[in-house]
Amino acid sequence: QVQLQESGPGLVKPSETLSLTCDVSGDSVISSRYYWGWIRQPPGQGLEWIGYVLSSGSTNSNPSLKSRLTMSVDTSKNQFSLKLTSVTAADTAVYYCARTSYWNFDLWGRGTLVTVSS
Amino acid sequence: ENGLTQSPGTLSLSLGESAILSCRASQAVSSSYVAWYQQRVGQAPRLLFFGSSTRAAGVPDRFSGSGSGTDFTLTISRLEPEDSAVYYCQEYGTSPVMYTFGQGTKLEIK
Repeated sequence: QVQLQESGPGLVKPSETLSLTCDVSGDSVISSRYYWGWIRQPPGQGLEWIGYVLSSGSTNSNPSLKSRLTMSVDTSKNQFSLKLTSVTAADTAVYYCARTSYWNFDLWGRGTLVTVSS
Repeated sequence: ENGLTQSPGTLSLSLGESAILSCRASQAVSSSYVAWYQQRVGQAPRLLFFGSSTRAAGVPDRFSGSGSGTDFTLTISRLEPEDSAVYYCQEYGTSPVMYTFGQGTKLEIK
Protein backbone atom coordinates (compact mmCIF):
# COMPACT_ATOMS: atom_id res chain seq x y z
CA GLN A 1 0.00 0.00 0.00
CA VAL A 2 1.54 3.27 -1.12
CA GLN A 3 1.51 6.12 1.36
CA LEU A 4 2.80 9.67 1.33
CA GLN A 5 3.40 11.63 4.52
CA GLU A 6 4.26 15.30 4.80
CA SER A 7 6.37 16.68 7.61
CA GLY A 8 7.73 20.06 8.58
CA PRO A 9 7.17 23.07 10.81
CA GLY A 10 3.58 24.13 11.26
CA LEU A 11 4.53 27.76 11.89
CA VAL A 12 6.86 29.90 9.80
CA LYS A 13 7.64 33.58 10.30
CA PRO A 14 7.04 36.07 7.50
CA SER A 15 10.02 36.50 5.15
CA GLU A 16 11.48 33.17 6.22
CA THR A 17 11.65 29.87 4.33
CA LEU A 18 9.00 27.19 4.44
CA SER A 19 10.49 23.70 4.25
CA LEU A 20 8.54 20.47 3.90
CA THR A 21 9.43 16.86 3.26
CA CYS A 22 7.30 14.05 1.90
CA ASP A 23 8.17 10.48 2.87
CA VAL A 24 7.10 7.83 0.40
CA SER A 25 6.39 4.26 1.45
CA GLY A 26 5.27 1.37 -0.70
CA ASP A 27 6.68 2.91 -3.87
CA SER A 28 10.00 4.32 -5.01
CA VAL A 29 10.71 7.91 -5.93
CA ILE A 30 13.04 6.42 -8.54
CA SER A 31 10.00 5.18 -10.45
CA SER A 32 9.92 6.65 -13.93
CA ARG A 33 6.15 6.29 -14.05
CA TYR A 34 5.53 9.18 -11.71
CA TYR A 35 6.45 12.70 -10.82
CA TRP A 36 6.45 13.76 -7.17
CA GLY A 37 4.44 16.86 -6.57
CA TRP A 38 3.10 19.48 -4.20
CA ILE A 39 -0.31 21.11 -4.04
CA ARG A 40 -1.59 23.59 -1.48
CA GLN A 41 -4.97 24.71 -0.22
CA PRO A 42 -5.45 27.94 1.74
CA PRO A 43 -7.99 27.59 4.55
CA GLY A 44 -11.50 27.42 3.13
CA GLN A 45 -10.28 27.80 -0.43
CA GLY A 46 -9.50 25.71 -3.49
CA LEU A 47 -6.45 23.81 -4.68
CA GLU A 48 -3.32 25.28 -6.21
CA TRP A 49 -0.60 23.26 -7.92
CA ILE A 50 2.86 24.15 -6.68
CA GLY A 51 5.14 21.92 -8.73
CA TYR A 52 6.76 18.53 -9.13
CA VAL A 53 10.19 16.94 -9.10
CA LEU A 54 11.36 13.90 -11.01
CA SER A 55 13.76 11.27 -9.69
CA SER A 56 16.41 12.85 -11.91
CA GLY A 57 16.03 16.09 -10.00
CA SER A 58 14.34 17.90 -12.87
CA THR A 59 11.47 20.11 -11.79
CA ASN A 60 8.48 21.95 -13.14
CA SER A 61 6.50 24.50 -11.18
CA ASN A 62 3.67 26.99 -11.10
CA PRO A 63 4.99 30.16 -12.75
CA SER A 64 3.51 32.22 -9.92
CA LEU A 65 5.77 30.49 -7.39
CA LYS A 66 8.78 29.56 -9.46
CA SER A 67 11.05 32.39 -8.30
CA ARG A 68 10.66 31.38 -4.64
CA LEU A 69 10.55 27.61 -5.01
CA THR A 70 13.11 24.86 -4.76
CA MET A 71 12.20 21.17 -4.99
CA SER A 72 14.47 18.19 -4.61
CA VAL A 73 14.41 14.44 -4.25
CA ASP A 74 16.48 12.20 -1.97
CA THR A 75 16.47 8.72 -3.45
CA SER A 76 18.47 7.28 -0.53
CA LYS A 77 15.71 8.27 1.89
CA ASN A 78 12.86 7.76 -0.60
CA GLN A 79 11.58 11.25 0.02
CA PHE A 80 11.19 14.57 -1.74
CA SER A 81 11.20 18.11 -0.45
CA LEU A 82 9.98 21.63 -1.01
CA LYS A 83 11.43 24.97 0.02
CA LEU A 84 9.50 28.19 -0.45
CA THR A 85 11.36 31.39 0.38
CA SER A 86 10.20 34.82 1.49
CA VAL A 87 6.84 33.59 2.73
CA THR A 88 3.92 35.86 3.57
CA ALA A 89 0.51 35.29 5.11
CA ALA A 90 -0.73 34.41 1.61
CA ASP A 91 1.36 31.24 1.80
CA THR A 92 -0.65 29.96 4.77
CA ALA A 93 -2.24 26.74 3.57
CA VAL A 94 -2.54 23.00 3.92
CA TYR A 95 0.32 21.61 1.87
CA TYR A 96 -0.18 18.22 0.23
CA CYS A 97 2.39 16.05 -1.40
CA ALA A 98 1.00 13.97 -4.24
CA ARG A 99 2.12 11.31 -6.64
CA THR A 100 1.67 12.78 -10.10
CA SER A 101 0.67 10.36 -12.82
CA TYR A 102 1.72 12.65 -15.67
CA TRP A 103 -1.64 14.40 -16.04
CA ASN A 104 -3.30 14.00 -12.66
CA PHE A 105 -2.64 13.30 -9.01
CA ASP A 106 -3.43 9.71 -8.19
CA LEU A 107 -2.26 9.54 -4.59
CA TRP A 108 -2.17 12.25 -1.92
CA GLY A 109 -0.66 12.66 1.49
CA ARG A 110 -2.93 13.68 4.34
CA GLY A 111 -1.66 17.24 4.22
CA THR A 112 0.04 19.50 6.72
CA LEU A 113 -1.09 22.96 7.75
CA VAL A 114 1.58 25.63 7.55
CA THR A 115 0.76 28.98 9.08
CA VAL A 116 2.82 32.05 8.29
CA SER A 117 2.73 34.37 11.26
CA SER A 118 5.07 36.25 13.54
CA GLU B 1 -3.35 29.36 -19.24
CA ASN B 2 -6.73 27.70 -19.26
CA GLY B 3 -9.34 28.49 -16.65
CA LEU B 4 -11.89 26.06 -15.28
CA THR B 5 -15.33 27.12 -14.06
CA GLN B 6 -17.40 24.68 -12.05
CA SER B 7 -21.12 24.92 -11.56
CA PRO B 8 -23.13 25.01 -9.51
CA GLY B 9 -21.16 26.33 -6.57
CA THR B 10 -23.31 24.36 -4.15
CA LEU B 11 -25.71 21.52 -4.81
CA SER B 12 -28.16 20.30 -2.20
CA LEU B 13 -29.88 17.02 -3.00
CA SER B 14 -31.64 14.19 -1.21
CA LEU B 15 -30.55 10.61 -0.69
CA GLY B 16 -31.14 8.52 -3.79
CA GLU B 17 -31.22 11.47 -6.19
CA SER B 18 -28.69 12.11 -8.95
CA ALA B 19 -26.14 14.93 -9.05
CA ILE B 20 -24.78 16.52 -12.20
CA LEU B 21 -21.66 18.63 -11.74
CA SER B 22 -20.29 20.75 -14.55
CA CYS B 23 -16.76 21.87 -15.38
CA ARG B 24 -16.21 24.31 -18.23
CA ALA B 25 -12.81 25.21 -19.64
CA SER B 26 -12.09 28.59 -21.21
CA GLN B 27 -10.26 26.84 -24.04
CA ALA B 28 -10.67 23.35 -25.47
CA VAL B 29 -8.68 20.71 -23.64
CA SER B 30 -7.94 17.11 -24.49
CA SER B 31 -10.21 14.80 -22.54
CA SER B 32 -7.06 12.85 -21.65
CA TYR B 33 -6.00 15.80 -19.53
CA VAL B 34 -9.12 16.18 -17.38
CA ALA B 35 -9.54 14.66 -13.92
CA TRP B 36 -12.05 14.83 -11.08
CA TYR B 37 -11.42 14.68 -7.33
CA GLN B 38 -13.57 14.28 -4.25
CA GLN B 39 -12.60 16.05 -1.02
CA ARG B 40 -14.53 15.19 2.10
CA VAL B 41 -14.33 17.49 5.10
CA GLY B 42 -10.97 17.27 6.80
CA GLN B 43 -9.53 14.91 4.23
CA ALA B 44 -7.16 15.11 1.31
CA PRO B 45 -8.61 15.06 -2.20
CA ARG B 46 -9.11 11.66 -3.75
CA LEU B 47 -8.83 10.96 -7.47
CA LEU B 48 -12.16 9.87 -8.94
CA PHE B 49 -11.60 10.05 -12.69
CA PHE B 50 -8.72 10.57 -15.05
CA GLY B 51 -8.87 10.91 -18.80
CA SER B 52 -12.26 12.51 -18.22
CA SER B 53 -14.13 9.22 -17.93
CA THR B 54 -11.80 6.50 -16.57
CA ARG B 55 -12.77 5.61 -13.04
CA ALA B 56 -9.92 5.40 -10.52
CA ALA B 57 -9.51 2.26 -8.41
CA GLY B 58 -12.20 1.79 -5.80
CA VAL B 59 -14.61 4.39 -7.16
CA PRO B 60 -18.20 3.08 -7.20
CA ASP B 61 -19.88 2.77 -10.56
CA ARG B 62 -22.54 5.18 -9.31
CA PHE B 63 -19.99 7.77 -10.38
CA SER B 64 -19.45 8.55 -14.04
CA GLY B 65 -17.41 11.11 -15.92
CA SER B 66 -17.88 12.42 -19.42
CA GLY B 67 -17.21 15.32 -21.72
CA SER B 68 -15.00 16.74 -24.41
CA GLY B 69 -13.76 20.04 -25.75
CA THR B 70 -14.63 22.64 -23.15
CA ASP B 71 -17.43 20.89 -21.27
CA PHE B 72 -16.98 18.08 -18.79
CA THR B 73 -19.45 16.48 -16.40
CA LEU B 74 -19.34 14.39 -13.26
CA THR B 75 -22.55 12.49 -12.58
CA ILE B 76 -23.33 10.77 -9.30
CA SER B 77 -26.41 8.58 -9.20
CA ARG B 78 -28.27 7.14 -6.20
CA LEU B 79 -26.70 9.62 -3.78
CA GLU B 80 -25.49 8.27 -0.47
CA PRO B 81 -24.51 10.18 2.70
CA GLU B 82 -20.78 9.63 2.08
CA ASP B 83 -21.03 11.49 -1.24
CA SER B 84 -21.23 14.74 0.71
CA ALA B 85 -18.00 16.51 -0.30
CA VAL B 86 -16.44 19.17 -2.47
CA TYR B 87 -15.71 18.00 -6.01
CA TYR B 88 -12.93 19.52 -8.10
CA CYS B 89 -12.15 19.20 -11.76
CA GLN B 90 -8.55 19.59 -12.89
CA GLU B 91 -6.87 19.97 -16.23
CA TYR B 92 -3.31 19.60 -17.40
CA GLY B 93 -1.91 22.24 -19.69
CA THR B 94 1.18 21.91 -21.83
CA SER B 95 2.25 25.43 -22.68
CA PRO B 96 3.49 26.08 -20.11
CA VAL B 97 3.12 22.90 -18.08
CA MET B 98 0.43 23.71 -15.57
CA TYR B 99 -2.14 21.85 -13.53
CA THR B 100 -5.26 23.94 -12.95
CA PHE B 101 -8.17 23.19 -10.65
CA GLY B 102 -11.70 24.46 -10.81
CA GLN B 103 -13.00 26.30 -7.77
CA GLY B 104 -15.05 23.27 -6.67
CA THR B 105 -18.69 22.27 -6.27
CA LYS B 106 -19.93 21.55 -2.79
CA LEU B 107 -22.42 18.69 -2.71
CA GLU B 108 -24.69 18.52 0.29
CA ILE B 109 -26.89 15.51 0.95
CA LYS B 110 -30.14 16.36 2.69
